[in-house]
Amino acid sequence: GENVEQHPSTLSVQEGDSAVIKCTYSDSASNYFPWYKQELGKGPQLIIDIRSNVGEKKDQRIAVTLNKTAKHFSLHITETQPEDSAVYFCAASGRAGGGNKLTFGTGTQLKVEL
Amino acid sequence: DAGVTQSPTHLIKTRGQQVTLRCSPISGHKSVSWYQQVLGQGPQFIFQYYEKEERGRGNFPDRFSARQFPNYSSELNVNALLLGDSALYLCASRREPGQGSSYEQYFGPGTRLTVT
Repeated sequence: GENVEQHPSTLSVQEGDSAVIKCTYSDSASNYFPWYKQELGKGPQLIIDIRSNVGEKKDQRIAVTLNKTAKHFSLHITETQPEDSAVYFCAASGRAGGGNKLTFGTGTQLKVEL
Repeated sequence: DAGVTQSPTHLIKTRGQQVTLRCSPISGHKSVSWYQQVLGQGPQFIFQYYEKEERGRGNFPDRFSARQFPNYSSELNVNALLLGDSALYLCASRREPGQGSSYEQYFGPGTRLTVT
């Protein structure tokens, strides 16, 4: 089955700096890669996603890149703000089962310091 | 529009008991999936239901079961609770599996289950 690895497990940045979180996946059939932000006591919130036919996607301060050959994808947050502090999860999904099964990474605790 | 709703928000049960968790998907979404999130880890897939049929199952024992109703809401049942079942149980809804731009899954706030 799919295996997703995520690094780093914790990340501390100064407000205004950029943050980068990296993930690798094992199943070359995976074709959908979402990123979720989870705040304490809440469910995961979808913040951006990318499909395997696209190499990069951007939404304001957030961008995701995908390298299908190397089987890795990354989340980039620019101009970080204190409200960006949360746990971020990457996930991968394949065609099996209609793509509903998301396999998650282990999460990155992002802390944006003033 | 209302998001995914789950009930109850918190639950405390004793080992050996049974529990039922409930989920209502986003209006217009026909697919519901359940995930278990143990503290400090990413969510793990338990079930996917679409049009009242099980479409996928993760690596969980038969003590876990689920169903989906005609209005697309869903219940997750766990029998013979173990201490290790203590976790946040998340429900996610999706428009339709495998249909064009409907890959996005949206999560509810979860039900925090504590087994003592």
